[in-house]
Amino acid sequence: GAGVSQTPSNKVTEKGKYVELRCDPISGHTALYWYRQSLGQGPEFLIYFQGTGAADDSGLPNDRFFAVRPEGSVSTLKIQRTERGDSAVYLCASSLSRDDEAFFGQGTRLTVV
Amino acid sequence: QKEVEQDPGPLSVPEGAIVSLNCTYSNSAFQYFMWYRQYSRKGPELLMYTYSSGNKEDGRFTAQVDKSSKYISLFIRDSQPSDSATYLCAMSASNTDKLIFGTGTRLQVFP
Repeated sequence: GAGVSQTPSNKVTEKGKYVELRCDPISGHTALYWYRQSLGQGPEFLIYFQGTGAADDSGLPNDRFFAVRPEGSVSTLKIQRTERGDSAVYLCASSLSRDDEAFFGQGTRLTVV
Repeated sequence: QKEVEQDPGPLSVPEGAIVSLNCTYSNSAFQYFMWYRQYSRKGPELLMYTYSSGNKEDGRFTAQVDKSSKYISLFIRDSQPSDSATYLCAMSASNTDKLIFGTGTRLQVFP
């Protein structure tokens, strides 16, 4: 397989609930990114990890959003008290290092009802 | 005003046509310019990568950057139905900075 894997592919949740979105990067890739893509828009940067640490979280919209990468591989994006405006495709990408090409996963389509 | 502007289309062309896709931007610090292709319900995939001004060609694809006009283009020659997708421009100030994407242009190539 060897590509970036995101689970689940689709997630429907009720307003106010908590959700977790998972990203399995390409093996050996130290850099990991989360983007959010709303309908008809380009991806918007959320957060970047180098190894286990969040090197840049300037794109997280508010404190309901949090992401972790505890072992420097798999990452989880966590959204608390979901709102309808959080509905979007959440994309994960990884690269060998910060200045290498980033490869995107297929995304998780989140719908908040 | 958005940092990166891109006409969302849709753009519909016959097979074999030359396609021109464009983006304008406002941040003069941008130095790295990319074009991604995104098929429906898939993640973006990198097509072309250009540093600073100039042209770059790869098969049927040519990317152009005009920093003086803050304008970038992607040309697709001999377009094929398999080229039907959304094309996203993206740019950054350095090769370690976050990418700023355009909204994407939806292209349809009909047989």
